Amino acid sequence: DTEVTQTPKHLVMGMTNKKSLKCEQHMGHRAMYWYKQKAKKPPELMFVYSYEKLSINESVPSRFSPECPNSSLLNLHLHALQPEDSALYLCASSHVGGSYEQYFGPGTRLTVT
Amino acid sequence: AQSVAQPEDQVNVAEGNPLTVKCTYSVSGNPYLFWYVQYPNRGLQFLLKYITGDNLVKGSYGFEAEFNKSQTSFHLKKPSALVSDSALYFCAVSAEYNFNKFYFGSGTKLNVKP
Repeated sequence: DTEVTQTPKHLVMGMTNKKSLKCEQHMGHRAMYWYKQKAKKPPELMFVYSYEKLSINESVPSRFSPECPNSSLLNLHLHALQPEDSALYLCASSHVGGSYEQYFGPGTRLTVT
Repeated sequence: AQSVAQPEDQVNVAEGNPLTVKCTYSVSGNPYLFWYVQYPNRGLQFLLKYITGDNLVKGSYGFEAEFNKSQTSFHLKKPSALVSDSALYFCAVSAEYNFNKFYFGSGTKLNVKP
């Protein structure tokens, strides 16, 4: 099974709302990632968790808060977002190490109104 | 600093013809190179990677890529294009010492016409 699942598929939220994105994998991967992708652009790395600990934060605004409850789950908590945060949010997972490919989920399409 | 360049925003090819999508990279140390494909409103799908060994790497769906160290290139190829290959293609590089951080190219839109 090489599947990464993400919920919800679509999310519309107001600028004062709090919501969460969820990601799950059962491939035994110990590295998990959040990316933000705008249309026709490459994914932009936001966070990397390695062995359930935050290892990379690409200077992401604090209105985005990641959480890794266990080795299979990754959450992204959203609060007080701006319209420019509207994008496709992708989760990925891999074995730890630069030589390993990342497996991506289908993404959550987020619209901030 | 690590970087990837995909010099063509768009590549157009007729069905049945060979296709090439270009990628050049810059990395400190040994590069790990990857190709991904993305269909509209979907996640990225892994096609193939080069880590070490044979410079010609074969991947999914008949795609292959050639690693050229002297030209720092990793071009994606397919002998005979299909209309269903039309999608957005991303090249990515990671460095052996910089665990788990991918640097993506800007992407190339491949259009295969019947």
